[in-house]
This record gives sequence, C-alpha cells and structure tokens, in this order.
Amino acid sequence: AQSVTQPDIHITVSEGASLELRCNYSYGATPYLFWYVQSPGQGLQLLLKYFSGDTLVQGIKGFEAEFKRSQSSFNLRKPSVHWSDAAEYFCAVGRGSGSARQLTFGSGTQLTVLP
Amino acid sequence: SAVISQKPSRDICQRGTSLTIQCQVDSQVTMMFWYRQQPGQSLTLIATANQGSEATYESGFVIDKFPISRPNLTFSTLTVSNMSPEDSSIYLCSVSGTGLYEQYFGPGTRLTVT
Repeated sequence: AQSVTQPDIHITVSEGASLELRCNYSYGATPYLFWYVQSPGQGLQLLLKYFSGDTLVQGIKGFEAEFKRSQSSFNLRKPSVHWSDAAEYFCAVGRGSGSARQLTFGSGTQLTVLP
Repeated sequence: SAVISQKPSRDICQRGTSLTIQCQVDSQVTMMFWYRQQPGQSLTLIATANQGSEATYESGFVIDKFPISRPNLTFSTLTVSNMSPEDSSIYLCSVSGTGLYEQYFGPGTRLTVT
C-alpha cells in the first residue's frame, strides 16, 4: 500500500537559513507527490506537486522539491527561510484510480523559525 | 484554484448533540472529500463525496456517525452525530483540482465537544 513518511516531527531553523524537509514514499509505480503547508488555524495550501518530467519542481513562496526515485524521496527545500514560513508541512502521495482517487498524507513536520 | 468556504469556522458543542458542517466551492467540482485532523495529528480521510452517488467511507468511519450529503457540484455537508469529546477535531473539506490527485482545501471547522 502507498505510504508517506516524514521522519522529522519538528525542525527549528534560524531566519535566513536554508531548509530541507524530508519525505519518503512507498509506491510501486511513478508516484504523484505533493507538499502542502498548514499555517496555524488555517486549511492546507498546495505548495507544489510532481507528476512526471523534470525532477526538480518549483512551487510557491520560493519552495522547491526534488524527486529522487532511487531514494524514494521528495524533499522540500528553501534557500532562505522567512519567519512567515513557520507552519506545519505535509507531504502526500496520490493513490487509487477513477472515482477512488485520493491522497495519503504523511504525519507532518512542524517548522519553527527563530529570529 | 478553487475557493472553498466552510461553515461554521468553529463551534463548541455538548456531547450527544449533532453538528452539520457546510462546504461551498466557487466552481463545479467532481470530487469532494472530508477529512478529520485530530489535535496534533495528520489528516485522516473520512469519506469521498461524488455528486449523484452515495459517499464512500474509509475504514473506521460509518455513515450513521458521519452522514454526508452532496446535492450538487458546488456543495456538500458533513454531520457529526451523537458527539463525544473524542470527536473534537478540525474537520476539513477539499475538492479535486485540475491535476490528477490534486486537491484544494477549505479553511476547516474547529469542533470542540464538551
């Protein structure tokens, strides 16, 4: 069964530092992968997605992610973190087909940004 | 992307009562989803609601507890029935996007059961 693992429950970085959030997936075929962000008291916002093609995908808010099939990973990166990036980040993989299409979410990584 | 609204945004309810949460989207969508997010946890899919068919529930969720309606392509409701404190969660609706598996989320309904 498809699954997503986010090994880091909580990450703390200083403002201006670089960021990498890890995501590992388990899926037999080419996965459809997503990163979402949830700010406090908010719903989820789609940051970026990978379906096929270029393995480095650009998203909103200066985020990017790289798909590495050999490592079953889809890590999220940002070169310079802003205080407003403090939030919870969820990696997700698409599964099922037709009317049964759905997303499976990882457990999330809470990001704290220090001034 | 679709603009999704949910009502109410939050509520405090007494145990044994029921609450109906509304989800409205600004465009017609095929698939709508309802999730539960318990405190400090990730999202768990409750059910998928496609217009014109009965909702499909995930393991651990039953229609008697979480009845869902999907009367048209822009609206859905989720009822949390006979509530207990364990039902205290954020309930989120989402809709299918243009890309395969892509979903857009509403702001959520924060429910507290006392």
